[in-house]
Amino acid sequence: DAGVIQSPRHEVTEMGQEVTLRCKPISGHNSLFWYRQTMMRGLELLIYFNNNVPIDDSGMPEDRFSAKMPNASFSTLKIQPSEPRDSAVYFCASSLEGSNQPQHFGDGTRLSIL
Amino acid sequence: QQQVKQSPQSLIVQKGGISIINCAYENTAFDYFPWYQQFPGKGPALLIAIRPDVSEKKEGRFTISFNKSAKQFSLHIMDSQPGDSATYFCAASTGDDKIIFGKGTRLHILP
Repeated sequence: DAGVIQSPRHEVTEMGQEVTLRCKPISGHNSLFWYRQTMMRGLELLIYFNNNVPIDDSGMPEDRFSAKMPNASFSTLKIQPSEPRDSAVYFCASSLEGSNQPQHFGDGTRLSIL
Repeated sequence: QQQVKQSPQSLIVQKGGISIINCAYENTAFDYFPWYQQFPGKGPALLIAIRPDVSEKKEGRFTISFNKSAKQFSLHIMDSQPGDSATYFCAASTGDDKIIFGKGTRLHILP
């Protein structure tokens, strides 16, 4: 079975540029999560969707960040304009709907903003 | 109150030893406590989980101990192996989709 697929795996770009991260969840999973991982702050939940609808975006750091889920098999996380402090590993995860379902993570996108 | 506090930040254990990672929480509404394991270059993956109605859960060499009154839980890795070297995250959930993760423990098992 295919797991959660994220692209790109690595992204290096200059400050001020727009960055788009992509995620394909596991087929049949109803919930999708975007996380950011840094040494200082650990694993932070940015936003999550249930049945393509954003449920909780309280972790989104600021208006420069936006996320969409146009259909059940695709989601994007966009940063515009990007800043050096956005450098981190961004993970997408998906799970079945319902309480206490395990989250299945992709391998992440390592983002470096110069 | 939504935090899960994890310690230590890093841990070095000899092969064959016992690795112990501790976590504490404040929110008594948490009712599900998973542990995730992360290898370099990979995303976290569910390792083992426990609910507060049991005090211990064992899966192979991995055991979760849970102390509801103290609001603490821990992961024990028996007979630790070099292949166990990874980052471990404790986490907690109130039963909805959202999981609150601890900051992680980087475990290194010496060969």
